[in-house]
Amino acid sequence: DIVMTQSPDSLAVSLGERATINCRSSQSVLYNSNNQNYLAWYQQKPGQPPKLLIYWASTRQSGVPDRFSGSGSGTDFTLTISSLQGEDVAVYYCQQYYSTPPTFGQGTKVEIK
Amino acid sequence: QVQVQESGPGLVKPSETLSLTCTVSGGSISDYYCNWIRQPAGKGLEWIGRIYSSGSTTYNPSLKSRVTMSVDTSKNQFSLKLRSVTAADTAVYYCARRSRFGDLFLDAFDIWGQGTMVTVSS
Repeated sequence: DIVMTQSPDSLAVSLGERATINCRSSQSVLYNSNNQNYLAWYQQKPGQPPKLLIYWASTRQSGVPDRFSGSGSGTDFTLTISSLQGEDVAVYYCQQYYSTPPTFGQGTKVEIK
Repeated sequence: QVQVQESGPGLVKPSETLSLTCTVSGGSISDYYCNWIRQPAGKGLEWIGRIYSSGSTTYNPSLKSRVTMSVDTSKNQFSLKLRSVTAADTAVYYCARRSRFGDLFLDAFDIWGQGTMVTVSS
């Protein structure tokens, strides 16, 4: 299985400031034939299911605010919230869909400082 | 708008079988993949497996020996059975749709149910 490791486990950011979450995969999730990274990001608020934010490492799902962006390639990826809003308080997960079984990172909790 | 909802007993005894149903509304389940994913309280997400509307299945090797998934297209329902449960199987169980990107189905999950909590206890 591909192991996904996120850092940090938690972070506190002031409203309006940038939040950055890192994700590393134990092997590359870049599929050479289409040059796509098989990496997704989810947001999970308390008592709710995860919500797909980003796929192909950097493509925002429909309706996701543009303050959320994804970057990276191969084994190292980043989710950036450019200007943290109160409604962004949540746990964020990265997930690879390069190989079966799909696997998730352990999650990063984002709070307001 | 497609919606999914999980249902089933909230309490299962150790060594027995956990049985859950995922009902899809707002659309047909033809050409549809249902995934089961679980999350122990305060912990991360574990993919259990998926089933296509044709009945074709793929399971996580870590659970494969205990899992069976099935589909009832007449009811727009998918089902999960997990045998010989222990306390380690206590979790919120989600069904989630496999995303479609053009002609590709990929294991990113774009529609999730609210989840159902299952506790394994005597």
